[in-house]
Amino acid sequence: EADIYQTPRYLVIGTGKKITLECSQTMGHDKMYWYQQDPGMELHLIHYSYGVNSTEKGDLSSESTVSRIRTEHFPLTLESARPSHTSQYLCASSRETGSYEQYFGPGTRLTVT
Amino acid sequence: DAKTTQPTSMDCAEGRAANLPCNHSTISGNEYVYWYRQIHSQGPQYIIHGLKNNETNEMASLIITEDRKSSTLILPHATLRDTAVYYCIVRLLYNAGNMLTFGGGTRLMVKP
Repeated sequence: EADIYQTPRYLVIGTGKKITLECSQTMGHDKMYWYQQDPGMELHLIHYSYGVNSTEKGDLSSESTVSRIRTEHFPLTLESARPSHTSQYLCASSRETGSYEQYFGPGTRLTVT
Repeated sequence: DAKTTQPTSMDCAEGRAANLPCNHSTISGNEYVYWYRQIHSQGPQYIIHGLKNNETNEMASLIITEDRKSSTLILPHATLRDTAVYYCIVRLLYNAGNMLTFGGGTRLMVKP
């Protein structure tokens, strides 16, 4: 079992609210990622980090921001939620040795009304 | 990453082996074959990877042809919980921990 956690699992929120999606991993991985995925659709990378104080935007344009102050914690923030932000958000981390596989959290399903 | 081709969907009877093929004819000599799966509404899950030798772990076996242009993921005794979309990707090892891009994958339906 991978030790990567996301909270909340489900969130319904009104337009204009500020929200933070939490992601934590206890594996000591330097690389962490945020993906966005709509049902039945492909994964889209929105943010990534290769270590503390390192954050980059991914391929998919996003109005969210991230921070990486501690290795184990990689929160994603939406300053003003909109209905277009309704989606599933997946956090992942990866090893930098051995098989280099990525471990995914259970996801946060966000609905903005 | 080299391109991969997988069947869109497959069915398998519960308790039987599920054999999922993947074509990667443009694979280069130092690219690895990785398999992930995604169960409905969950995050993707790593299954197995290999370079040229056959590999086995507690989840599955990976058979790679001698010319490395194709591979087969084998779930030896499929259960209903193995119903998922299975993704085959090919990448260099040092890129394997980088951002993932999945193609269409194979939707495996395990039936009672």
